[in-house]
Amino acid sequence: KQEVTQIPAALSVPEGENLVLNCSFTDSAIYNLQWFRQDPGKGLTSLLLIQSSQREQTSGRLNASLDKSSGRSTLYIAASQPGDSATYLCAVLSEKLVFGKGTKLTVNP
Amino acid sequence: GAVVSQHPSRVICKSGTSVKIECRSLDFQATTMFWYRQFPKQSLMLMATSNEGSKATYEQGVEKDKFLINHASLTLSTLTVTSAHPEDSSFYICSALGPPTNEKLFFGSGTQLSVL
Repeated sequence: KQEVTQIPAALSVPEGENLVLNCSFTDSAIYNLQWFRQDPGKGLTSLLLIQSSQREQTSGRLNASLDKSSGRSTLYIAASQPGDSATYLCAVLSEKLVFGKGTKLTVNP
Repeated sequence: GAVVSQHPSRVICKSGTSVKIECRSLDFQATTMFWYRQFPKQSLMLMATSNEGSKATYEQGVEKDKFLINHASLTLSTLTVTSAHPEDSSFYICSALGPPTNEKLFFGSGTQLSVL
C-alpha cells in the first residue's frame, strides 16, 4: 500500500528565503508525482508534474525533483514571497492517486 | 480524521451512456466539494467547485451540461457524465473541505472511467 509523507507539516520563513519541501513515498513503482498548492478554503492548483522517467521539472521559481529509487521528491522554492503562503501537497500516482497531508508554508514579510 | 468516500472506484461503459459518480463525506458536513480529473500523463485539473444548495462553479473549458454536478446535501455531491464518449475516459477524484476549520482538503479515492 502506497503511503506518502510530507515533512515538515508546517514551515515559517522570512521573505526572500529559499526553501525546500519534502515528500517521500513507500512504493517506488509510480507513474508520476505531482505538486499542488492549496489556499485556505480553495481547491488545488497544480504546480508541477514529474513523470516517472523524469528527474525534475521547473516552473518559474519552483523546481521539483524526483528520485524514484529512494522514494523521494523535493519542491524547491526560490526567493520566497508572502504570496507563496499556502499548503503544498504532493501526490503520487501508482495504482491509486495518493496524497500526502501537506506542508503549510507561511512566508513572513 | 475526516473521511471522504467516492464510488464507484472503476466503471466501464458504452459510448452514449451516462455515468454517475458519488462523493460522500462520512463523518463531517461538507459545504464545499471539488471535482477534478486527470488524463494519462497529465496533471490533476480542477473541473468544478460544488457548494451545497447552489449551482456548481465550473472551470473554463468544462462543459456544465455534460458534467452535471449536484450537491443537494451536506454529505453528498454527485458528478454525472452525460452521454459519455471515449474522450471522457479519465480519472475523476473529489475532495471536500473538512474539519476543523473548513480549510483542509480531504480526498476521495477516485474513479477510473473507461468509455468504450
